[in-house]
Amino acid sequence: RKEVEQDPGPFNVPEGATVAFNCTYSNSASQSFFWYRQDCRKEPKLLMSVYSSGNEDGRFTAQLNRASQYISLLIRDSKLSDSATYLCVVNTYLGGKLIFGQGTELSVKP
Amino acid sequence: DTGVSQNPRHKITKRGQNVTFRCDPISEHNRLYWYRQTLGQGPEFLTYFQNEAQLEKSRLLSDRFSAERPKGSFSTLEIQRTEQGDSAMYLCASSGGQVRETQYFGPGTRLLVL
Repeated sequence: RKEVEQDPGPFNVPEGATVAFNCTYSNSASQSFFWYRQDCRKEPKLLMSVYSSGNEDGRFTAQLNRASQYISLLIRDSKLSDSATYLCVVNTYLGGKLIFGQGTELSVKP
Repeated sequence: DTGVSQNPRHKITKRGQNVTFRCDPISEHNRLYWYRQTLGQGPEFLTYFQNEAQLEKSRLLSDRFSAERPKGSFSTLEIQRTEQGDSAMYLCASSGGQVRETQYFGPGTRLLVL
């Protein structure tokens, strides 16, 4: 079993749609949680950290359920520019290696 | 540009040749990480340094791979006797050493082994 699992998609949605990505992780000792965004043939870039209380950044909302070992990302009012691969990432100890999911591909169409 | 830089950006080599990649982290960052990414997969951890000390190596890092960070600044990743399975994007990231610090990635070196 992979340490971090995501639905690879692709998710094809129209502009303005709301889309949700889910992710599960296997190591209950995981300390930190992130969503990274990766555009085609580019490096991953941090989209947002994920906290137990849930957090929001504009159209993006991330939630963490430690009991279920589940992380989610909600994108509201999707834009063409949101088209990318979204990577669910966990970190088992502060400052250490990141463990990435396979990534979920999102394509937003006009 | 004060971000993470990597050189070369692309490398094509023949099977059996040695290759070396360089990573220059963000200047004040003391942690430096190497990852490898193949098509359709997320990045996989290879190794990381805190200053010049190599603190962890993945089992993915076979004997043919070696990484150094001699003065705690830039790092090199060498692959000896390359194989076709080494074809991938090699990503470098750095972080600043604070609690919950973010890892910032460089643009990567794309390796193709023929």
